[in-house]
Amino acid sequence: EVQLLESGGGLVQPGGSLRLSCAASGFTFSSYAMSWVRQAPGKGLEWVSTISGSGGSTYYPDSVKGRFTISRDNSKNTLYLQMNSLRGEDTALYYCAKLRSEVVVAATNHWGQGTLVTVSS
Amino acid sequence: DIQMTQSPSSLSASVGDRVTITCRASQGISNYLAWYQQKPGKVPKLLIYAASTLQSGVPSRFSGSGSGTDFTLTISSLQPEDVATYYCQKYNSAPLTFGGGAKVEIK
Repeated sequence: EVQLLESGGGLVQPGGSLRLSCAASGFTFSSYAMSWVRQAPGKGLEWVSTISGSGGSTYYPDSVKGRFTISRDNSKNTLYLQMNSLRGEDTALYYCAKLRSEVVVAATNHWGQGTLVTVSS
Repeated sequence: DIQMTQSPSSLSASVGDRVTITCRASQGISNYLAWYQQKPGKVPKLLIYAASTLQSGVPSRFSGSGSGTDFTLTISSLQPEDVATYYCQKYNSAPLTFGGGAKVEIK
């Protein structure tokens, strides 16, 4: 059974940093691309970042490019999201998600329960 | 960047009704489109990928169609457990944009 367990969320001041982690199990981690998707309170889904199975390719929307960095450690079956220069609009529930393929050109077929990030002074 | 526009943003229908949700891409994306269901307070769930392929375990009353810029999610006979918000997502290339969502309620 695929399991994705996020951690690292919390309250941070504007301009601060936070590192999210996602521990994966139940599948061959290195064979699948992974994403972070966020959902602000009462709002829709927003794609945040995707990394290929090998870690060699990463993708970001303009809203987080240059501030967020996605990475993975395939030896530890763990996905990360380093978030710097955080803003109020980054406040959201952050989901770790598994894609159906090693590459980014695939739908997302498993989601974690999410970790809440609140950016406020 | 390609924009994904869903309509309607919300709808109310009776149990047993046929429900259709539309997703339009601002440029062609072939069939690189997925549909997700998110029930209140729950995690999103993949319903359909490649525009029309039903994910394993998803009831057959759900179906998807379309290619290029216009896509449709259809629930052939709405059930009470289908109350949820439905999202489309393009994945032909980054950014992997989601549509704004369509909230489905029971009348």
